[in-house]
Amino acid sequence: GAGVSQTPSNKVTEKGKYVELRCDPISGHTALYWYRQSLGQGPEFLIYFQGTGAADDSGLPNDRFFAVRPEGSVSTLKIQRTERGDSAVYLCASSLSPQGGYGYTFGSGTRLTVV
Amino acid sequence: TQLLEQSPQFLSIQEGENLTVYCNSSSVFSSLQWYRQEPGEGPVLLVTVVTGGEVKKLKRLTFQFGDARKDSSLHITAAQPGDTGLYLCAGEQGNNRLAFGKGNQVVVIP
Repeated sequence: GAGVSQTPSNKVTEKGKYVELRCDPISGHTALYWYRQSLGQGPEFLIYFQGTGAADDSGLPNDRFFAVRPEGSVSTLKIQRTERGDSAVYLCASSLSPQGGYGYTFGSGTRLTVV
Repeated sequence: TQLLEQSPQFLSIQEGENLTVYCNSSSVFSSLQWYRQEPGEGPVLLVTVVTGGEVKKLKRLTFQFGDARKDSSLHITAAQPGDTGLYLCAGEQGNNRLAFGKGNQVVVIP
């Protein structure tokens, strides 16, 4: 597609439930990133994929968070046993290359609300 | 502790006025990017600056990267209501991730 697509755009879930957030990057972009943006804050790094592998997952807050990108294209961010503090906008971005200042193309995000 | 400090956090001006917002850090970056974000949308890349002292222009927007590659400024000439948005700066330190500031919320009143 022309841009980065994220689904769903909004997700409301109960505390303790499991959720999956999907990201479909721009075709041909090998680098894929997940960021989290809380109200009044800038995006915060979660994880970076180069191809199929998670090259850097040091931004994941704890082991309830996990992400995959099995075929090097679509990625899924998975959150187990959701907590109210997980409520935020989850942004996905893709880039031609992780280096050299190419800049990221972001999706519109998934707004997750844990009640 | 925020790696990138953006100031002012909020700025409201009249249409036609000029404005400058700042992005400062004590760290050196290999590149710095500016994004604009509107409510309910993801950030949209405006510019990437790489060389210390570099100046880039995008229509009425002028971006400058500090000589030491630690800070940047964004100047808007003759602001228009369409310039309203959250301006985010983001620095790259060669570790394949961007560190974002909290943003400069700009409101241009018609």
